[in-house]
Amino acid sequence: EIVMTQSPATLSVSPGERATLSCRASQSVSSNLAWYQQKPGQAPRLLIYGASTRATGIPARFSGSGSGTEFTLTISSLQSEDFAVYYCQQYNNWPPVALTFGGGTKVEIK
Amino acid sequence: EVQLVESGGGLVQPGRSLRLSCTASGFTFGDYAMSWVRQAPGKGLEWVGFIRSKAYGGTTEYAASVKGRFTISRDDSKSIAYLQMNSLKTEDTAVYYCTRVGPWLRAYYFDYWGQGTLVTVSS
Repeated sequence: EIVMTQSPATLSVSPGERATLSCRASQSVSSNLAWYQQKPGQAPRLLIYGASTRATGIPARFSGSGSGTEFTLTISSLQSEDFAVYYCQQYNNWPPVALTFGGGTKVEIK
Repeated sequence: EVQLVESGGGLVQPGRSLRLSCTASGFTFGDYAMSWVRQAPGKGLEWVGFIRSKAYGGTTEYAASVKGRFTISRDDSKSIAYLQMNSLKTEDTAVYYCTRVGPWLRAYYFDYWGQGTLVTVSS
């Protein structure tokens, strides 16, 4: 099973500042990496797939980069609605299929 | 508008069974793989399993933690996906989300999510 490790666990950022979140895979997942945002009491929402492609309706301030084992989610200028938990997920591990998520990064207001 | 609505959650004793349903609308259900993802209270996300579309055989894949106990099925005529959970354990306690899988073969990310249904396994 591919282990996904996210860092930091918590990121304190002021509104308007840039946030950089990291996700590392225990082995290469090529570009088969997605990012999700989850707010308290809500279901997760897809932000990025294919490591760098924004999902439908996702603002341009969200960008993804990386390939292989190192990935980054960048939020260029944090808005109040961006404070949430972010998860990465790999979908390269097949067969057999074993989809795995990172442990999450909580982005909180500084 | 894509909508996924889960139902069937609740309190169940260890060792018993429960079946969750996911009713979909707003897209051609039969064209997509469907998946279940769970989240234990205060914890992160864990993939449970998915079922491919009939075009790709309607086959299923499961996480090791549930394989042999959980079964995913689908009724394309009703646009419903099911999660049959047997031999439930206390560690299966979680919110269970129904998700739509990405539109391409092996694009196993989750582009739409339901609001989730809570399953509590306790005596």
